[in-house]
Amino acid sequence: EPEVTQTPSHQVTQMGQEVILRCVPISNHLYFYWYRQILGQKVEFLVSFYNNEISEKSEIFDDQFSVERPDGSNFTLKIRSTKLEDSAMYFCASSESYGYTFGSGTRLTVV
Amino acid sequence: TQLLEQSPQFLSIQEGENLTVYCNSSSVFSSLQWYRQEPGEGPVLLVTVVTGGEVKKLKRLTFQFGDARKDSSLHITAAQPGDTGLYLCAELSGSARQLTFGSGTQLTVLP
Repeated sequence: EPEVTQTPSHQVTQMGQEVILRCVPISNHLYFYWYRQILGQKVEFLVSFYNNEISEKSEIFDDQFSVERPDGSNFTLKIRSTKLEDSAMYFCASSESYGYTFGSGTRLTVV
Repeated sequence: TQLLEQSPQFLSIQEGENLTVYCNSSSVFSSLQWYRQEPGEGPVLLVTVVTGGEVKKLKRLTFQFGDARKDSSLHITAAQPGDTGLYLCAELSGSARQLTFGSGTQLTVLP
């Protein structure tokens, strides 16, 4: 069954550093997403990407964050100048219509 | 932003028992999805319900969408330890088809 692949599975970074989280969505899907889940809290929508541009973003997705699809397969989330409160599981997802497929996530720890 | 309330928050039962978990909102859902999430993994889509009164079955799982499309339930028959996990409901909405998640019901099925 097709999978959404995320790397790395774990990332520890110092406060103020930049991190790039990587995702390979399912190849024939058209919609790409990033969600995050702070420990013990709800899964929260960050951003959606369609037709090579951001189609929707939440209040969380401020200037600290950016997304890119640098080639035909990868989809990245960049967090500039990380803060302690950015520590969370970050999930990439892709969708063709109603059906979402999530990756296994990247656990980001900011120290 | 619509708030989704799930109940109960925690549920621990013995293998073989039946259970029902609930997802409610004060406003009408456009469409609703149920997911199951295991520790350290991304949510896995179980079902999408769209039409008021709709009932869908997935083996021992029965999903019901309320007539007014403001509530949904998930019923598990003869629960097994493999059913253990966090059950999330999420509304699919917006032009980008983003998901708004509930807080989930943490189900533990004891052998």
